[in-house]
Amino acid sequence: DTAVSQTPKYLVTQMGNDKSIKCEQNLGHDTMYWYKQDSKKFLKIMFSYNNKELIINETVPNRFSPKSPDKAHLNLHINSLELGDSAVYFCASSPERGAVTDTQYFGPGTRLTVL
Amino acid sequence: QQQVKQSPQSLIVQKGGISIINCAYENTAFDYFPWYQQFPGKGPALLIAIRPDVSEKKEGRFTISFNKSAKQFSLHIMDSQPGDSATYFCAASVASGANNLFFGTGTRLTVIP
Repeated sequence: DTAVSQTPKYLVTQMGNDKSIKCEQNLGHDTMYWYKQDSKKFLKIMFSYNNKELIINETVPNRFSPKSPDKAHLNLHINSLELGDSAVYFCASSPERGAVTDTQYFGPGTRLTVL
Repeated sequence: QQQVKQSPQSLIVQKGGISIINCAYENTAFDYFPWYQQFPGKGPALLIAIRPDVSEKKEGRFTISFNKSAKQFSLHIMDSQPGDSATYFCAASVASGANNLFFGTGTRLTVIP
C-alpha cells in the first residue's frame, strides 16, 4: 500500500513540449509539496500547497504550475520544457502545515529527461 | 543561497565504525531539523528528527546532536553497517510556518564490510 505515489516514474520528452507529473497520497494529509533534485543530488523546494494556500518558491519559473483537483492529489504541470528542467521531481505530503507532527513523506520520484 | 550547509560530501567508514555528518544553518526561525536517508532510485525517507528544545535525540543506532547557540546539528550512526550505505540529507524548516524543507547538499555514505 503506497503512501505517496507518482506517475510516470520516467519521462523523456523534447524541448518545448508541455508535460505533467501526477502525485497522489493516501495518507489523508492536508499539505503536499513538490521538490526538484538536480544531477548533483541537491533537493530544492518548489511548491507547498494545502487547500488554503499555495506557497511558491520565488526561484521557480512560472512555466511550472501545481494543480490540485482534490486534497489527495497535487499534479505538476510544466510548459515549454527546457534542457535545464531535466531532474528528478519528488512529491511529498505532510499531515498539516504548522502541526506538531510535520514529517514529510516522499514519493518515489519522477526522472524527467528533456532532449 | 544555501540555507543549510552539510559536510562531508562523501564518507567511507568501516563496518562497526561511527559515521558522523555535520550540518549548519543561519536562519534562527528554523524549528524542525530532520535527517533523511535516500537509497539510489528511491525517494528520501525520514530517519530521525529533532526540535531545538532538546540537545540530543537517539533512535537505535542513530543520534542527532543539536547545538542551538552554534546553529549546528549532526547525525551520528553507531556500529555502521553496509546496509547504511546511502545518501544522507539534513534539512531544516519552520514547521510552525510553511514547513518547506531546506535541504543540505547530501553526504554519500559508504560502509565497507
